[in-house]
Amino acid sequence: DQQVKQNSPSLSVQEGRISILNCDYTNSMFDYFLWYKKYPAEGPTFLISISSIKDKNEDGRFTVFLNKSAKHLSLHIVPSQPGDSAVYFCAASGATDSWGKLQFGAGTQVVVTP
Amino acid sequence: EPEVTQTPSHQVTQMGQEVILRCVPISNHLYFYWYRQILGQKVEFLVSFYNNEISEKSEIFDDQFSVERPDGSNFTLKIRSTKLEDSAMYFCASSGTGASGANVLTFGAGSRLTVL
Repeated sequence: DQQVKQNSPSLSVQEGRISILNCDYTNSMFDYFLWYKKYPAEGPTFLISISSIKDKNEDGRFTVFLNKSAKHLSLHIVPSQPGDSAVYFCAASGATDSWGKLQFGAGTQVVVTP
Repeated sequence: EPEVTQTPSHQVTQMGQEVILRCVPISNHLYFYWYRQILGQKVEFLVSFYNNEISEKSEIFDDQFSVERPDGSNFTLKIRSTKLEDSAMYFCASSGTGASGANVLTFGAGSRLTVL
């Protein structure tokens, strides 16, 4: 089941620069998208979300962009900080799914170097 | 900040044994979930629970699995007869009310299950 894809398993970025994480999806019924961050030995932590009626949502250093026609979303982190080093998961849910039933991508390991 | 707590953090069991994983969701949340992540694989949905009943379950959630909210605070996942392939990290999650609020899940730190 590859409805949500994160094709980059890892990303290395310098502190202070922009991190761009990408996510593609195949199910046109998805209408809500989320990004979660995960540190080792912890559960995923919610970062930011976007509804399909929007194309951008911003929260501090984090911005999510949604391109519905391309079935693509991205997460921008500006500026990147060492504490941002974690695995980032893209997740999606559909209008016909029960609330909270999320499809996750495989994750992207981000390493922020000093 | 409110958090979801899970016990045990790690459980080792023999194949065929019953296992109960426990979770205390955030107190004012109404929706409860179990997800799992097999090593090297995606986080995958198992079951959602609302108003004291299962609202949706995945194909993984077969007759060997059950969930229960035995009191006002705990939410449990029982695996009746564990198999080797049940070895995974099991995450409990909860969410609040409203369309977007119900989709924003708060996850626990997970219970690692190792079946030998």
